[in-house]
Amino acid sequence: DVKVTQSSRYLVKRTGEKVFLECVQDMDHENMFWYRQDPGLGLRLIYFSYDVKMKEKGDIPEGYSVSREKKERFSLILESASTNQTSMYLCASSLGYLVQRLLHEQYFGPGTRLTVT
Amino acid sequence: LAKTTQPISMDSYEGQEVNITCSHNNIATNDYITWYQQFPSQGPRFIIQGYKTKVTNEVASLFIPADRKSSTLSLPRVSLSDTAVYYCLVDPNNTDKLIFGTGTRLQVFP
Repeated sequence: DVKVTQSSRYLVKRTGEKVFLECVQDMDHENMFWYRQDPGLGLRLIYFSYDVKMKEKGDIPEGYSVSREKKERFSLILESASTNQTSMYLCASSLGYLVQRLLHEQYFGPGTRLTVT
Repeated sequence: LAKTTQPISMDSYEGQEVNITCSHNNIATNDYITWYQQFPSQGPRFIIQGYKTKVTNEVASLFIPADRKSSTLSLPRVSLSDTAVYYCLVDPNNTDKLIFGTGTRLQVFP
């Protein structure tokens, strides 16, 4: 089974702190994704990466950055946390479409609930 | 990327069949239709994908008419454990990026 793990289930940080959210997948997937989920807004894509050291902005990248130094690990960074970044953060991974064209199912981690006070 | 529209919520009772319809008027020729399920406090998980006509697996069936502008997820004989949010996505075959909307919140009552 594919396993996607996230470093914390719950996290509380103060405004202005630098926050690192870590995600690790064990299936040698090319793609990794960071979403945030808020009530009434569904899942929104922050950033994704289709290869080591490659990244692309999603729909709401402002206030975030990412790092992918190794294939299995994708980090989301909040340079200076703000209260409007309080949310559930979900990481996902998938095979690249060039590898498996018909189905690139995304596998999600359990999520990190971040509260910024 | 094609946008999807689905009901915000639905209620059902145990043992009933539930059909959730999604519209995707701007679907492109190469796009697939994919459904994910999300339980509270968990990440979404893939349940079914199709291109046309009907697809069935152990969890659900997916019905796609010839014009592909809509699709219907069918859950046979739901149980309380099917209470979840169901997301309909148009899955482009030329990119790995998926667009999740707000989904349909299904509540199953005893």
